[in-house]
Amino acid sequence: GAVVSQHPSWVICKSGTSVKIECRSLDFQATTMFWYRQFPKQSLMLMATSNEGSKATYEQGVEKDKFLINHASLTLSTLTVTSAHPEDSSFYICSASGRPLETQYFGPGTRLLVL
Amino acid sequence: KNEVEQSPQNLTAQEGEFITINCSYSVGISALHWLQQHPGGGIVSLFMLSSGKKKHGRLIATINIQEKHSSLHITASHPRDSAVYICAVRDTASKLTFGTGTRLQVTL
Repeated sequence: GAVVSQHPSWVICKSGTSVKIECRSLDFQATTMFWYRQFPKQSLMLMATSNEGSKATYEQGVEKDKFLINHASLTLSTLTVTSAHPEDSSFYICSASGRPLETQYFGPGTRLLVL
Repeated sequence: KNEVEQSPQNLTAQEGEFITINCSYSVGISALHWLQQHPGGGIVSLFMLSSGKKKHGRLIATINIQEKHSSLHITASHPRDSAVYICAVRDTASKLTFGTGTRLQVTL
């Protein structure tokens, strides 16, 4: 099946720093990428949906100025957590789908720990 | 009430047992996904269904659109099947809503 990679797989940073997470579709063109967050023992929660070349659509309650999403190409989307705080510590997962929009392929996730 | 409910929340089975995980939803959907999440966090998409039944190896997924219900079956379960199984429904805008997952532990 299609492969989606994420980098880094885990990151530890100090409070106040910004962290960038990359999501790449390795063998297909991802017209749409989704960013999710998962807290321990909870469901995945959709943060935002991004279509290549256009601005991301954020879910209610997700601050777009804090979680910057860029989907500049058909194979790469980035999520930047700006001025990270301990409450941003979570597991961030991306998924990607191509044309036509059907199965979403999930990345392996990025575990973020903000000290 | 969550839009997507799964049962059971936790399940322990012995190797070889037949396992069923259920998913009920309350909204209109365009498709339903079954996902597997391993302890490390990585998610694998097992099935995407919009009607009927699909089979892949020892896994079978069924959906009843009228009853808004889907089941995931695992035949001849094995310890490597131990994972969290997540049901997710896709609405007409292609947004996924996830169930809380079923934590499966298969013992020898």
